[in-house]
Amino acid sequence: NAGVTQTPKFQVLKTGQSMTLQCAQDMNHNSMYWYRQDPGMGLRLIYYSASEGTTDKGEVPNGYNVSRLNKREFSLRLESAAPSQTSVYFCASSASLAGATDTQYFGPGTRLTVL
Amino acid sequence: DQQVKQNSPSLSVQEGRISILNCDYTNSMFDYFLWYKKYPAEGPTFLISISSIKDKNEDGRFTVFLNKSAKHLSLHIVPSQPGDSAVYFCAASVWSSNTGKLIFGQGTTLQVKP
Repeated sequence: NAGVTQTPKFQVLKTGQSMTLQCAQDMNHNSMYWYRQDPGMGLRLIYYSASEGTTDKGEVPNGYNVSRLNKREFSLRLESAAPSQTSVYFCASSASLAGATDTQYFGPGTRLTVL
Repeated sequence: DQQVKQNSPSLSVQEGRISILNCDYTNSMFDYFLWYKKYPAEGPTFLISISSIKDKNEDGRFTVFLNKSAKHLSLHIVPSQPGDSAVYFCAASVWSSNTGKLIFGQGTTLQVKP
């Protein structure tokens, strides 16, 4: 099993450009999450989807949008990238139903640089 | 406001000795705690967890201790091995919130020297 996959692995954008980070899981998990990791800040939740068809804001949602395309896929979109969005982005999934706390499984990350 | 804090950015330990990683939290509603391990260029992987109804949970070389009155948890690795060198994140959640959201600490980089 591939687990959680993310594309692309690396991306460089100019300020104002848009892009979509893709995430897919093959574990039939119900919940999916997007985090960003910055030095000295740990992992911060951007958005999450407790079940197919629902999405909710996390700690740092400004500047981002998400789409839970189906049970497998959860994408993160930057409409107008800013240098402050330079970070490593991780997607995660868990089996939990409708938001119960459960072990989250992470993808390998996307390293994004905004110039 | 950082609700979960790991105040030691780094820790260096000799192989075979004990590694103790610490984590403090401020939100008394947190009732489920997890530790994740992260190698460079990889995503975090789950290591061990503990519910607030317990004060200790053990899995092989890894033990997590929870002190609710002090709002403090620690991860003990005994004996430490060079392969344990990684960044360790603690995370906390409110089980009853029905959101599944985890709040992570800043991480502690552990180096185990051969």
